[in-house]
Amino acid sequence: DIVMTQSPDSLAVSLGERATINCKSSQSLLYSPDNNNYLAWYQQKPGQPPKLLIYWASTRESGVPDRFSGSGSGTDFTLTISGLQAEDVAVYYCQQYYTTPCTFGQGTKLEIK
Amino acid sequence: EMQLLESGGGFVQPGGSLRLSCAASGFTFSTYALSWVRQAPGKGLEWVSAISGDGSSTYYAKSVRGRFSISRDNSKDTLYLQMNSLRAEDTALYYCAKGLTTAMGVWGKGTTVTVSS
Repeated sequence: DIVMTQSPDSLAVSLGERATINCKSSQSLLYSPDNNNYLAWYQQKPGQPPKLLIYWASTRESGVPDRFSGSGSGTDFTLTISGLQAEDVAVYYCQQYYTTPCTFGQGTKLEIK
Repeated sequence: EMQLLESGGGFVQPGGSLRLSCAASGFTFSTYALSWVRQAPGKGLEWVSAISGDGSSTYYAKSVRGRFSISRDNSKDTLYLQMNSLRAEDTALYYCAKGLTTAMGVWGKGTTVTVSS
């Protein structure tokens, strides 16, 4: 199984500042035939289901604010939130859908400093 | 609007069974693979099982293989998860989600399964 490891486990950032969450996979998520990285990012607020933010490692889901961006390729990926807002407090998960079982990172809890 | 609505959760003793359902609306149900993802209290997300759009292919996490069975009825736009031989560690909020080899863009609100004596 592909192991997804996020860092840090928790993060406190001031309003308006940048938050950076990292995700490392135990094997490459880059599928050469289509040149896509099979990596997604989700946001989960308390009492709510996860919400898709980013897919193909860097494509923003429709309706997601442009302060959320994804980058990386192969085994190393980053979710960046530029200009943190109060409503961004949540747990963030990366997920690989390159192969089954699809696997999630352990989650990163983002709080306001 | 694409929607998924889970039902069927409840309280069951160890060794018991439950069948979860997930009713879909707002998209062409038979076109998409669907997954079950669970979240134990206070824990992260764990993919459980998935099924292809036509139902011909099924996939399971090692933790549930042989005990859980996924199926779908494309005439009713409904996904199912039959859970047998339930264990305490199966206690979780169970979500259905649209996707398997694509990112999961639509999630239900979940249904709670509690396994306890």
